[in-house]
Amino acid sequence: AQKITQTQPGMFVQEKEAVTLDCTYDTSDPSYGLFWYKQPSSGEMIFLIYQGSYDQQNATEGRYSLNFQKARKSANLVISASQLGDSAMYFCAMRERVLGYGGSQGNLIFGKGTKLSVKP
Amino acid sequence: DTAVSQTPKYLVTQMGNDKSIKCEQNLGHDTMYWYKQDSKKFLKIMFSYNNKELIINETVPNRFSPKSPDKAHLNLHINSLELGDSAVYFCASSQDRGAGNTIYFGEGSWLTVV
Repeated sequence: AQKITQTQPGMFVQEKEAVTLDCTYDTSDPSYGLFWYKQPSSGEMIFLIYQGSYDQQNATEGRYSLNFQKARKSANLVISASQLGDSAMYFCAMRERVLGYGGSQGNLIFGKGTKLSVKP
Repeated sequence: DTAVSQTPKYLVTQMGNDKSIKCEQNLGHDTMYWYKQDSKKFLKIMFSYNNKELIINETVPNRFSPKSPDKAHLNLHINSLELGDSAVYFCASSQDRGAGNTIYFGEGSWLTVV
C-alpha cells in the first residue's frame, strides 16, 4: 500500500496567489515525521518544512506552512504569495521510527510529487 | 560550503562498464543514504548506512554496492551497468535515523547508460 499519496500530478497558480499542495499518509506508528521537499528544474532536492507527529501547532517556514490534520492523516503544504521561482516539483515524505527487522528502517518515503507551475 | 556533495554530477557510460559515484558530507551526521530517482521522478531508498551498519533495500540488484571509508563518506559502486540503471542518484545524510531528523540531499548525479 502506498504510504504517501499526492493526488495532484500538476498544478497551476497565478503569481502572488496562495496554493495548497495535497499530501495524505498512511502509518500505524504514532511517532513519525513529515517533510516537504522542493525540486526545481536544476534537479537538487531542497528541504522546505518539517512536522512532527506530536507537534501541536502547524509548522511554518517563511512563506511555507504545513496544514497538519492528524486524524485525517493529511499534511498539506501551503505556499503563500507564490513567486515565479516556486515553479518546481514538490515532494511530500514521511519518516517512521526505526522498528528493526521487518519493520521501518527509518528511511524517508516519498510521494510521487506535484509539479507546480506559477503563471506571471 | 556544500553540506552534501557528490561527484560526478553527470556521467555517461556504456553498458557493461563499472562506475562509482562519490559522496561526502560535512555536517557531522551519523547516517548517510543513497536514493534513486527514476524517469518518472519517483524517489526510492537504495541504501542507508549508520555507524557502520548497512541497511540494504531488497530490491536493489547486487551490482550496486555502497562503500563507506568513514562516517563522512558513502560511495556508490555499480558493476556491469545496464540501460535500466540510467537515473539520478542522490546521496543524503541525517543526524541519525530518528523520525524527526531531516535528511539533507546532495545535488544529484545524472547517470546515463548507453
